[in-house]
Amino acid sequence: AQSVTQLGSHVSVSEGALVLLRCNYSSSVPPYLFWYVQYPNQGLQLLLKYTTGATLVKGINGFEAEFKKSETSFHLTKPSAHMSDAAEYFCAVTPPGSYIPTFGRGTSLIVHP
Amino acid sequence: NAGVMQNPRHLVRRRGQEARLRCSPVKGHSHVYWYRQLPEEGLKFMVYLQKENIIDESGMPKERFSAEFPKEGPSILRIQQVVRGDSAAYFCASSQDGAYEQYFGPGTRLTVT
Repeated sequence: AQSVTQLGSHVSVSEGALVLLRCNYSSSVPPYLFWYVQYPNQGLQLLLKYTTGATLVKGINGFEAEFKKSETSFHLTKPSAHMSDAAEYFCAVTPPGSYIPTFGRGTSLIVHP
Repeated sequence: NAGVMQNPRHLVRRRGQEARLRCSPVKGHSHVYWYRQLPEEGLKFMVYLQKENIIDESGMPKERFSAEFPKEGPSILRIQQVVRGDSAAYFCASSQDGAYEQYFGPGTRLTVT
């Protein structure tokens, strides 16, 4: 069975600072990887995904993530945080051949002025 | 294009009543997924359906819960004889045939009193 670990249930940054949200997974084969963002009282919105090809993936709103097979990681970064980035972020993994993702518990991003 | 629609957005039921949650997928999507989210937790997979078929219901409680996705009309998640522990946000997602990317609805927040 695969699992997803998001280190830190809350991450606090200042506006303009680097954002780093961590995601590690355990899987016997490299899975497909996703980051979603959830704003209060809304559904999840896909930020970016990795399936095959280039391991550095760019998404919406200036976010990007890098798949590192040796570290079984898929950390999410953004060079400069905006107040509007404050939200809950979920990492998800899907094993190849399956359509059912396993989600991490989420990281709440807090952005200070 | 309309995204995934869910209704109602908020539902209050007394213990023992039935809850019916509806989900209309993105037009052209034939795959529907239901998830449950509890506070401070990620999404937990419940059931995966295609038109008129349940593909995977491994995350669905064996009793009181059922789901359908008829040929015509929305997908329905039905919870009979609700208990307080059923209080949660229920999200529906849809995808195209063969796609790993899922599009989420805004969720239905069920409160059992």
